[in-house]
Amino acid sequence: DGGITQSPKYLFRKEGQNVTLSCEQNLNHDAMYWYRQDPGQGLRLIYYSQIVNDFQKGDIAEGYSVSREKKESFPLTVTSAQKNPTAFYLCASSPRTVGYEAFFGQGTRLTVV
Amino acid sequence: DQQVKQNSPSLSVQEGRISILNCDYTNSMFDYFLWYKKYPAEGPTFLISISSIKDKNEDGRFTVFLNKSAKHLSLHIVPSQPGDSAVYFCARGGADGLTFGKGTHLIIQP
Repeated sequence: DGGITQSPKYLFRKEGQNVTLSCEQNLNHDAMYWYRQDPGQGLRLIYYSQIVNDFQKGDIAEGYSVSREKKESFPLTVTSAQKNPTAFYLCASSPRTVGYEAFFGQGTRLTVV
Repeated sequence: DQQVKQNSPSLSVQEGRISILNCDYTNSMFDYFLWYKKYPAEGPTFLISISSIKDKNEDGRFTVFLNKSAKHLSLHIVPSQPGDSAVYFCARGGADGLTFGKGTHLIIQP
């Protein structure tokens, strides 16, 4: 079954700890993205990657880091520098960045206490 | 700077009637637009897209209209069904991925 998988669905962390969210796709897509959703804010782009070993900052990259060592994987680390980390995080992939729809995972709800 | 704007946070429509969701954009260079549907605590699912060389695209009950002079697009759902109740996002596609509006919560009344 082809798709994009985010894990875990729910994640709790203490304030000041780094946490890594997993995103894996078996669609053979070149491009991958991380978005954050807050109530009333829509989806905001954190980071994106158009190809392995390359990634670019999105609109709200501060306090986050990513890696793209494999085509299938694009993990997101929420660092202690992120001021308001509690949010719903969505990973997506697409064949290319332009002219194609992106397919989304089911999301990870991160709660920092 | 909001590149894609959805000015109606919510919309209530009676079952069987037409739902019209609106979206405005700021940059006439945008050449690809998409609509997504999202249920709570789930990822968005793609509905329909349109490129700037067209002014209409239709897929079953869903039609997207693009008015380039007004920098406006709309999604029409006919007839509206209870399962259409969700948040709808419009987005523009570009080299840096998708930029989304804030969404419109569509509520289908029985």
